[in-house]
Amino acid sequence: GAGVSQSPSNKVTEKGKDVELRCDPISGHTALYWYRQSLGQGLEFLIYFQGNSAPDKSGLPSDRFSAERTGGSVSTLTIQRTQQEDSAVYLCASSSPQGASADTEAFFGQGTRLTVV
Amino acid sequence: QKEVEQNSGPLSVPEGAIASLNCTYSDRGSQSFFWYRQYSGKSPELIMFIYSNGDKEDGRFTAQLNKASQYVSLLIRDSQPSDSATYLCAVKRRTALIFGKGTTLSVSS
Repeated sequence: GAGVSQSPSNKVTEKGKDVELRCDPISGHTALYWYRQSLGQGLEFLIYFQGNSAPDKSGLPSDRFSAERTGGSVSTLTIQRTQQEDSAVYLCASSSPQGASADTEAFFGQGTRLTVV
Repeated sequence: QKEVEQNSGPLSVPEGAIASLNCTYSDRGSQSFFWYRQYSGKSPELIMFIYSNGDKEDGRFTAQLNKASQYVSLLIRDSQPSDSATYLCAVKRRTALIFGKGTTLSVSS
C-alpha cells in the first residue's frame, strides 16, 4: 500500500484478555516504531525496529507488552492480560533511515484505538 | 528530567500573528530534530526537520536549533485558523524517535 496500515482500527476487549495489533509499514522502510497515545497526551515511545538490529525495547511499560517484526516488514504488538490503563491509541510509524547521522520522515499509520472494559 | 519537554499550552494567538513554539531536550548527543503537527483525532504529520545549528525556513515555518542550549523552536508566521493543532517536537537519539507531549496552538480569526 501507499502508506502505513494498521489493523484493527478499533478494538474493544475485556480486562484480562490478550490483544494483537498489526502494522504494515511502507514498502522498503527498514525502521518501524510503535507509540502509545493516551487521551490528551503526547506520544509515548514503546519499541523501535531497524533492519536486522536488535530492537530498542526500552519504552515497553511492562512485561505484558511485546512486539515482533517478521521478515523485516509486518509488525505485531501484543498486550497480554490487558488492563484498563492500557486503553489508548496505538500508533505505528515507519521510516527509511539513510545513514548513521541522517534520518528521514517517520510516516504514521492511522492508529488502533484500544478500549479495555 | 524528561527527554523532550514542551509547554503544553494552550498557546493562543490572533490570526496573522507569529506563533512561537519551544522545546528542550536532555540528550546532548541528539542529532536530528523534528516538528510534527497533529490535528485532533488524526495522526501526526511532519512539518520540518533540522540537523544543524541555526535557522531553517520553509514557507511560513522556521525551525531554530541551538545545540549548546539544547533548544529547538518553531516559528509560524502569519498564523491561520487552520494552523490550530497540537505541535509535537521530536528528537532522534541513537535509535528511537522520542516525542514531547506537544503544545496546543489555537489561532483565532
